[in-house]
Amino acid sequence: DAGITQSPRHKVTETGTPVTLRCHQTENHRYMYWYRQDPGHGLRLIHYSYGVKDTDKGEVSDGYSVSRSKTEDFLLTLESATSSQTSVYFCAISAPRGASTDTQYFGPGTRLTVL
Amino acid sequence: GDSVTQMEGPVTLSEEAFLTINCTYTATGYPSLFWYVQYPGEGLQLLLKATKADDKGSNKGFEATYRKETTSFHLEKGSVQVSDSAVYFCALKHNQGGKLIFGQGTELSVKP
Repeated sequence: DAGITQSPRHKVTETGTPVTLRCHQTENHRYMYWYRQDPGHGLRLIHYSYGVKDTDKGEVSDGYSVSRSKTEDFLLTLESATSSQTSVYFCAISAPRGASTDTQYFGPGTRLTVL
Repeated sequence: GDSVTQMEGPVTLSEEAFLTINCTYTATGYPSLFWYVQYPGEGLQLLLKATKADDKGSNKGFEATYRKETTSFHLEKGSVQVSDSAVYFCALKHNQGGKLIFGQGTELSVKP
């Protein structure tokens, strides 16, 4: 299994509070992604990173920001959480050095509830 | 834009039954196609993939063939087990860039 951890694994917070989710990898993969999983929608890409300090938006980026200051860490921040951001969040990685971006490996997920 | 459509679930089968989960896609060019599986309480795992037309991906008794003419990538298994109970996701990715586009997922429940 790819070495990907997410923290926290579960979080309950209140509307309007800031929340930061962390993804940590030990695989030295170049690409990192944040997805959210909601019933009936599969997984939808929020943001992704193709290197340190290089990030771009996905299809559902509104209300989220990301940062990647080190290869191994990719942070997802909800500046002011809303109930519509209640979801399960997955981090993924791809592209070991010198290889293609073909396969993505997923972390265990973070279940976030916004009350 | 690009999209993936899967058959709706949940799908309930008896052990040793034949499984088909339909997946069709809309995309420009020639994307790579994937099936991912998510077991309860876990993240997604790559099950199989195919990168060009007529390729067959296979793993753990599951198979899927990349059919460009019908824009399909249906997942099949000849004899399912209770341990195959999971949610299955079909996905596509263009060879330029690493973004995956997922279908909505199909839940499979296999009864003894």
